[in-house]
Amino acid sequence: NAGVTQTPKFQVLKTGQSMTLQCAQDMNHEYMSWYRQDPGMGLRLIHYSVGAGITDQGEVPNGYNVSRSTTEDFPLRLLSAAPSQTSVYFCASSYDTLDNEQYFGPGTRLTVT
Amino acid sequence: AQTVTQSQPEMSVQEAETVTLSCTYDTSESNYYLFWYKQPPSRQMILVIRQEAYKQQNATENRFSVNFQKAAKSFSLKISDSQLGDTAMYFCAVASGTYKYIFGTGTRLKVLA
Repeated sequence: NAGVTQTPKFQVLKTGQSMTLQCAQDMNHEYMSWYRQDPGMGLRLIHYSVGAGITDQGEVPNGYNVSRSTTEDFPLRLLSAAPSQTSVYFCASSYDTLDNEQYFGPGTRLTVT
Repeated sequence: AQTVTQSQPEMSVQEAETVTLSCTYDTSESNYYLFWYKQPPSRQMILVIRQEAYKQQNATENRFSVNFQKAAKSFSLKISDSQLGDTAMYFCAVASGTYKYIFGTGTRLKVLA
């Protein structure tokens, strides 16, 4: 199993540009989520999905869109990048109860200039 | 609001010694789960240990154990026989509701040879 994969590993964007961060998992997990990690702030939940076709907002959803058309994939779209979105982004997946371990991808380091 | 506080930004410990990382939390939920995740320099997030709030018995995983004090809303992590590979950032997290994950700001642990 590849686990949770994320692409790209690094990305530099200019303010106003849009892009999609890709996330895929091959463990047949129902739950998937996106976090951002900023220095001194831990991980903050952006969006999550409890199954294909179902998404909801987390703690910091503004400026991001998600969709979940398949169990395996959960892309994160930045609509119009801003310097405040400079961060490391992690995708995670887990089985369908909260007590289960989250499996994290390797992260994407995004810089917006 | 659900909050998680890790009051020790950095700690160090000698190899083979024992160290305790503190975590306090606040939640209005009656059913919730507590986690410690480790993030080594590779940036990969790895589950260390988990605790169900309804269980009074403290969780243990090999050299890792927790001291869960529900009334005090405290969830500390004890690492025994510290190893160089334990050097990492450690995050405490609380999960409740549909998908409400809140992470602390982390404690950077350095194990000294």
